[in-house]
Amino acid sequence: QSALTQPRSVSGSPGQSVTISCTGTSSDVGGYNYVSWYQQHPGKAPKLMIYDVSKRPSGVPDRFSGSKSGNTASLTISGLQAEDEADYYCCSYAGSYTFAFNYVFGTGTKVTVL
Amino acid sequence: QVQLVQSGAEVKKPGASVKVSCKVSGYTLTELSMHWVRQAPGKGLEWMGGFDPEDGETIYAQKFQGRVTMTEDTSTDTAYMELSSLRSEDTAVYYCATIAAAGGWFDPWGQGTLVTVSS
Repeated sequence: QSALTQPRSVSGSPGQSVTISCTGTSSDVGGYNYVSWYQQHPGKAPKLMIYDVSKRPSGVPDRFSGSKSGNTASLTISGLQAEDEADYYCCSYAGSYTFAFNYVFGTGTKVTVL
Repeated sequence: QVQLVQSGAEVKKPGASVKVSCKVSGYTLTELSMHWVRQAPGKGLEWMGGFDPEDGETIYAQKFQGRVTMTEDTSTDTAYMELSSLRSEDTAVYYCATIAAAGGWFDPWGQGTLVTVSS
């Protein structure tokens, strides 16, 4: 199963909004409401930002939001801040039994704050 | 809260095996579903496998089947990931991460273990 497709990079000025797309198939993104998003700064472990498509863990700023339509999930960062500059990865559950594995990550998107 | 602490960096020769550990604190290993994710230098995240609480089995990504073994020592709350027949392409940071239920999200993550495969 192939990785989910994300844009290689997105950028925005402080205060602007950026949206990262994550495109899969009906077997993963489109088949389950189990999409999560991770932020990764250089040399650090990934950090959970969004789970179950649109839920935010405690401590994650409300400028981060998630959504899904069909086979494409999206992460929006509103009011972009310098500390948001990082790599972002989406991840989807892909079920079990039918498939050889049951989680698939996106290709990753670098967010640059101009 | 759950904390995961991984073993230190390893350097291995091609053809060798490596075993990375992940010590759990704050919870017991039996309460968690442990998974492993790797990241090659400059590349994205790649799911390797983990315990599927839905069917009670450890599932490996097809790419790693036959080469990876994930085990747990519940007496010490330590999970292990062993990868055999190492090749240069296996050079990566290996992370352990937990999910709370089937379909769940990965949180928290260990700090990562760099495995370098070089002759």
